[in-house]
Amino acid sequence: KAGVTQTPRYLIKTRGQQVTLSCSPISGHRSVSWYQQTPGQGLQFLFEYFSETQRNKGNFPGRFSGRQFSNSRSEMNVSTLELGDSALYLCASSLGTVRPNYGYTFGSGTRLTVV
Amino acid sequence: GQQVMQIPQYQHVQEGEDFTTYCNSSTTLSNIQWYKQRPGGHPVFLIQLVKSGEVKKQKRLTFQFGEAKKNSSLHITATQTTDVGTYFCAALNSGGGADGLTFGKGTHLIIQP
Repeated sequence: KAGVTQTPRYLIKTRGQQVTLSCSPISGHRSVSWYQQTPGQGLQFLFEYFSETQRNKGNFPGRFSGRQFSNSRSEMNVSTLELGDSALYLCASSLGTVRPNYGYTFGSGTRLTVV
Repeated sequence: GQQVMQIPQYQHVQEGEDFTTYCNSSTTLSNIQWYKQRPGGHPVFLIQLVKSGEVKKQKRLTFQFGEAKKNSSLHITATQTTDVGTYFCAALNSGGGADGLTFGKGTHLIIQP
């Protein structure tokens, strides 16, 4: 079956602009979570959505937001981009039931560069 | 929020030598997952440990969960060049529900042929 699809793969934006990233989870998976990966901070949890509801949120400013649609596809938005937002943004999907015993499946990520 | 500390940050080994990475938490974990990320790639799920003292093996990889469920380790026997990458431990947020993961900083495994 198809894996987790993230678009676009690469993106270059200017400071102050906004950006929207997209994630299509594995068919049947209802949970989508987002992570930011940088060399300095590693993998950091942004937020997690299940059945169109945000269930958990990491410690990021309000400029970072997301949503999930009825087909489980998710988008995340970053407004007023800063240089420090340059990172690999990863999406992960799971069935979303309590205590998954199969882990999360990650997409290939979107590499965002802010100039 | 919870934190997981992982050591070492980097590990250089000769091909054929063993490798171990350790993950520690100040709080009791409901479970722990391990992921591998190849250079230029994305994290790939390896295993999940749930029970106190649990040990699981996958070929040359051995995973352990501490008795107090505050630490875990991944041991690779006789490393091969295909083992190169970064190994992350990760704990589920919110007491075990599917609410996202808190990752350790990872251990970069570098193998010299």
